Amino acid sequence: NAGVTQTPKFQVLKTGQSMTLQCAQDMNHNSMYWYRQDPGMGLRLIYYSASEGTTDKGEVPNGYNVSRLNKREFSLRLESAAPSQTSVYFCASLDRNTDTQYFGPGTRLTVL
Amino acid sequence: RKEVEQDPGPFNVPEGATVAFNCTYSNSASQSFFWYRQDCRKEPKLLMSVYSSGNEDGRFTAQLNRASQYISLLIRDSKLSDSATYLCVVRPFSGGYNKLIFGAGTRLAVHP
Repeated sequence: NAGVTQTPKFQVLKTGQSMTLQCAQDMNHNSMYWYRQDPGMGLRLIYYSASEGTTDKGEVPNGYNVSRLNKREFSLRLESAAPSQTSVYFCASLDRNTDTQYFGPGTRLTVL
Repeated sequence: RKEVEQDPGPFNVPEGATVAFNCTYSNSASQSFFWYRQDCRKEPKLLMSVYSSGNEDGRFTAQLNRASQYISLLIRDSKLSDSATYLCVVRPFSGGYNKLIFGAGTRLAVHP
């Protein structure tokens, strides 16, 4: 039982490049989330997926797209990276029985 | 005004000390409250939920004051291993996707 896994752990991009952050969970959770965390700020919700087949914008969706590929996987895509997207990105899934969000280890992204 | 506000700290305390953190939230309709713990360069993990009647888990006590819209966390007999950032988390309303609002965190450093 790996919980929530994310790849890659680290990434450096040049402005304008694209990339996809991968997330998978093996806990059979319906809801999944993508957050970004910046110094001095709380985690901010980028997109979420309440269940397989649905996605919705969170607080800071501009510059991102997501795909809920199946119940296990929820990916985040940056189409044209900008320095303002330098951040730590966390994926999470929700256990509704215990009302607990489980987070992946994070992806540290730097955009030059 | 931020939806969830915390004193960023750091709180520097000796081992064995008692330390308390407060957090205020702006949405009076908020439904659920949590404390998450985040170690340096790691993902957040649920420390405890906060119930209206207050609740205790070993050395940790959480309190909720709905009238004043604040949540507190008390740590007794601090250990070196308690050094971390403590995130105050609020769920603004019940919903299918269980959106959470995170505070920026309070940093605790316990020294020998």
